[in-house]
Amino acid sequence: EPEVTQTPSHQVTQMGQEVILRCVPISNHLYFYWYRQILGQKVEFLVSFYNNEISEKSEIFDDQFSVERPDGSNFTLKIRSTKLEDSAMYFCASVAEGTYGYTFGSGTRLTVV
Amino acid sequence: RKEVEQDPGPFNVPEGATVAFNCTYSNSASQSFFWYRQDCRKEPKLLMSVYSSGNEDGRFTAQLNRASQYISLLIRDSKLSDSATYLCAVNRDSGNTPLVFGKGTRLSVIA
Repeated sequence: EPEVTQTPSHQVTQMGQEVILRCVPISNHLYFYWYRQILGQKVEFLVSFYNNEISEKSEIFDDQFSVERPDGSNFTLKIRSTKLEDSAMYFCASVAEGTYGYTFGSGTRLTVV
Repeated sequence: RKEVEQDPGPFNVPEGATVAFNCTYSNSASQSFFWYRQDCRKEPKLLMSVYSSGNEDGRFTAQLNRASQYISLLIRDSKLSDSATYLCAVNRDSGNTPLVFGKGTRLSVIA
């Protein structure tokens, strides 16, 4: 069964450092998403990406965040200057055209110390 | 009213029991509805889509009530392996808008 792959599975970083979280969506999917889940909280939408550009972003997705699809397969989320409150699980998801049920990757656990 | 609301539980049920989860959503324009299952510290996994006519997949039945803006998931003959958190997800508006998730209802099936 096709999978969404995320790396790394766990990243520990110091406050103020930049991190890049990587995702390889399912190959024929066209819509890509980043969500995050703070421990004990709900899964929250960050940003959606379609046709090589951001289609929508939430209030959480401020200037510290950016996304890229640099090479047609990887889909990255960059956090420029991490804060303690950025500690969370970050999930990438993709979905095929004409369907709405997302397939999620296994997530990156980001710990900011 | 929150966008998507669920009873947080936990629901502790014996094996073989039938258990029902409910979810309400605030935007009547929402068109896509799903139940996801999430195991501890894992990603959400799509359990089933929810259609107006209701749908069934083995022991799982999902229903949608558009008038009341309410969806439900029924699990029959629950197994130990059903223990997880069940997340309701609804697209925020019409069209291909992002899914909004409820906080989830935790289920523990006990022997």
